[in-house]
Amino acid sequence: GAVVSQHPSRVICKSGTSVKIECRSLDFQATTMFWYRQFPKQSLMLMATSNEGSKATYEQGVEKDKFLINHASLTLSTLTVTSAHPEDSSFYICSARGQGGAMNTEAFFGQGTRLTVV
Amino acid sequence: AQSVSQHNHHVILSEAASLELGCNYSYGGTVNLFWYVQYPGQHLQLLLKYFSGDPLVKGIKGFEAEFIKSKFSFNLRKPSVQWSDTAEYFCAVQARWGTYKYIFGTGTRLKVLA
Repeated sequence: GAVVSQHPSRVICKSGTSVKIECRSLDFQATTMFWYRQFPKQSLMLMATSNEGSKATYEQGVEKDKFLINHASLTLSTLTVTSAHPEDSSFYICSARGQGGAMNTEAFFGQGTRLTVV
Repeated sequence: AQSVSQHNHHVILSEAASLELGCNYSYGGTVNLFWYVQYPGQHLQLLLKYFSGDPLVKGIKGFEAEFIKSKFSFNLRKPSVQWSDTAEYFCAVQARWGTYKYIFGTGTRLKVLA
């Protein structure tokens, strides 16, 4: 399958600072990228969907000003957690979907980024 | 509302026992279906997927799943589990329209006793 790379895999930051997480599709052009959040021992919750060159669509309850998503190119999307607080500590996972036979184009998942805010 | 339901939250089995994990979904339209596994401390790995055709799909590591359209179900099965199958299993549904987003079930934590 296609490869999606997230960076960093782990990050610790101080409360009040901002953290940027990168998601790259290494061998395909990702027209759509998804960002998920996974709390300990829970499922993946979709935060937002972004299409290259346009604004992200956020799920209900997700603060768009806190979780800034940029999808400036067909191989890179970034999630910036602004003014991070301890409750933002979580596992963030991105996935990317290319453009092909639309109905059958699955998304591929990155390795995830564990964010700890202290 | 769109939702994916996994009925078993925690399952404990002995090695060589058979496994079946339930997954039901509620979605207004045609979907693709997936099962993912997440080993402790690791990222998601795709076990198997269903897009169309034969409703019985085979995946990696001896897993299989059956899509029953009338029941909106996609249950995961394995005839004989191993200790190394201890992990969390997620069912996911992908819409075949709009943004083609995935919705995940709540997950089933499987523990296999040696």
